[in-house]
Amino acid sequence: GNSVTQMQGQVTLSEEEFLFINCTYSTTGYPTLFWYVQYPGEGPQLLLKVTTANNKGSSRGFEATYDKGTTSFHLQKASVQESDSAVYYCVLGESSGSWQLIFGSGTQLTVMP
Amino acid sequence: GGIITQTPKFLIGQEGQKLTLKCQQNFNHDTMYWYRQDSGKGLRLIYYSITENDLQKGDLSEGYDASREKKSSFSLTVTSAQKNEMAVFLCASSITGWDTGQLYFGEGSKLTVL
Repeated sequence: GNSVTQMQGQVTLSEEEFLFINCTYSTTGYPTLFWYVQYPGEGPQLLLKVTTANNKGSSRGFEATYDKGTTSFHLQKASVQESDSAVYYCVLGESSGSWQLIFGSGTQLTVMP
Repeated sequence: GGIITQTPKFLIGQEGQKLTLKCQQNFNHDTMYWYRQDSGKGLRLIYYSITENDLQKGDLSEGYDASREKKSSFSLTVTSAQKNEMAVFLCASSITGWDTGQLYFGEGSKLTVL
């Protein structure tokens, strides 16, 4: 079945450092991949969406691409800020017609001032 | 803009008890969802509904009932709370299905079972 694996449970960086979070996915169809972000005390919210392999999605300084060959999907930011501290979820949209998103287990990003 | 309101924000129950969570949205969205969030496991879909009076089971529907009596509201019932259970339940809505990727989530309802 379709699945998403997010191996990095916790990432700690200092301000202005480079962020890279990676996921792998498995699907029998054509994936649409998303990144959601959840700030403390809030529900998750859509950060960005990538519908085509090797095309870049970007939002709020974050960029994401996915590679069909390695079935990997990553999120990066050149220079993180303390306000970026949050949980980041990679999410796979099923292409079989059923109405659901498959969430990864999440990566807790902590940015130290 | 709009908002998703979940009540109650915190729910404490006893083992075996039936517990109900409520969700209201004023986006006028067709599709609504209930997800369960456990630490280290991400979000898992319990139920969703694509229109009033429609119900579709997600991967985690066992042990839960849902009800969509109005377009704006979607409730979830834990049919028999499990001892030491602790989780956050998240309600969401979207214009159509997932394909836009734009789900709007509430702040969550935290369940603790004693």
